[in-house]
Amino acid sequence: GENVEQHPSTLSVQEGDSAVIKCTYSDSASNYFPWYKQELGKGPQLIIDIRSNVGEKKDQRIAVTLNKTAKHFSLHITETQPEDSAVYFCAASIKDTGNQFYFGTGTSLTVIP
Amino acid sequence: KAGVTQTPRYLIKTRGQQVTLSCSPISGHRSVSWYQQTPGQGLQFLFEYFSETQRNKGNFPGRFSGRQFSNSRSEMNVSTLELGDSALYLCASSLVAGVGTGELFFGEGSRLTVL
Repeated sequence: GENVEQHPSTLSVQEGDSAVIKCTYSDSASNYFPWYKQELGKGPQLIIDIRSNVGEKKDQRIAVTLNKTAKHFSLHITETQPEDSAVYFCAASIKDTGNQFYFGTGTSLTVIP
Repeated sequence: KAGVTQTPRYLIKTRGQQVTLSCSPISGHRSVSWYQQTPGQGLQFLFEYFSETQRNKGNFPGRFSGRQFSNSRSEMNVSTLELGDSALYLCASSLVAGVGTGELFFGEGSRLTVL
């Protein structure tokens, strides 16, 4: 099955700096890569996603890049704010396997005011 | 619009017991998935239901089971509990099933502690 690895496990940045989280996947049949944000005591919430036919996607301060050849994708958060502090999970889904997602182990991001 | 509701939010059981967790999806959503979240392991897929049928099952022992009712509400059951079953169990609903490119809407989870 698919294996998703995520780095780093913890990340601290100063407010206003950028944060980058990286993930790799193993199955070339994976074609959908969402990123979820989980705040304390809450369930994960989708913040951005990318499909395998796209190399980059941006939504305000958040961007995701995908390199299919290298099988890795990254989350970029610019101009970080304290409310960005949370645990971020990357995930991958293999084509035609329904809503079965393979998640990374998470990155705990702390934005220091 | 109400979100995904999971009950109970917290529960404590002892080894060997069984537990049933409930999930009410967002109105109109017919796909319900369950995930186990543990520290250091991230989220691991348990199973997905759509129209009362299990569509996918993750790599968990047969002690983990689930079902979906005609109103799309879902339950999962864990029998003969082990210490390692202590985790946050997350339910997620989705508008469609079998696509793999749709957004999952998660509930806040049921935190199970096995003593």
